Amino acid sequence: DTGVSQNPRHKITKRGQNVTFRCDPISEHNRLYWYRQTLGQGPEFLTYFQNEAQLEKSRLLSDRFSAERPKGSFSTLEIQRTEQGDSAMYLCASSPQRAPREQYFGPGTRLTVT
Amino acid sequence: QKEVEQNSGPLSVPEGAIASLNCTYSDRGSQSFFWYRQYSGKSPELIMFIYSNGDKEDGRFTAQLNKASQYVSLLIRDSQPSDSATYLCAVPPRGGGNKLTFGTGTQLKVEL
Repeated sequence: DTGVSQNPRHKITKRGQNVTFRCDPISEHNRLYWYRQTLGQGPEFLTYFQNEAQLEKSRLLSDRFSAERPKGSFSTLEIQRTEQGDSAMYLCASSPQRAPREQYFGPGTRLTVT
Repeated sequence: QKEVEQNSGPLSVPEGAIASLNCTYSDRGSQSFFWYRQYSGKSPELIMFIYSNGDKEDGRFTAQLNKASQYVSLLIRDSQPSDSATYLCAVPPRGGGNKLTFGTGTQLKVEL
């Protein structure tokens, strides 16, 4: 049973550029979550999917952020017109249907906006 | 008041001692609680969860709930240097919804 995988692991981009991250959940998990974590803070919820449906989005998720999970398997998180304040670790987690709150995290994508 | 609060530490304990980490929560109706361990530079790892119906023990880890005072504790017995990490407490919303609200974490240092 492989864990949650995320790509890329690191991304350095210039302010104003668009970036896209990918998350592959644990295969039998139908729920997928995106969180963001900055230094010294706990992860902050961004959005979550049940299968392909995006069921909840945080107010933190401005209109520059969009997430998709088109076939209910992998998910992408896109940030348009990046700002320095977007620099953070972007974490993906997944959970099984039987225990939706037991969330297992991937290794994260560290974004640095210069 | 924050939904989930933790003392940032660091909490230093000698090897072999019991480490006690606390997390307070604001919603009296919260029914489940999750503990994650996060090593520096790594992602959070789920190590323990409990529900409002009782405490739970798993190996060297014990999670205890005090509903009256609205806090949940994580006890680590026979602490090892490899337990040195940040421990995050997380609480889901009461009722529906599955997002977790995390505390800022407590840094634990186990000293030789």
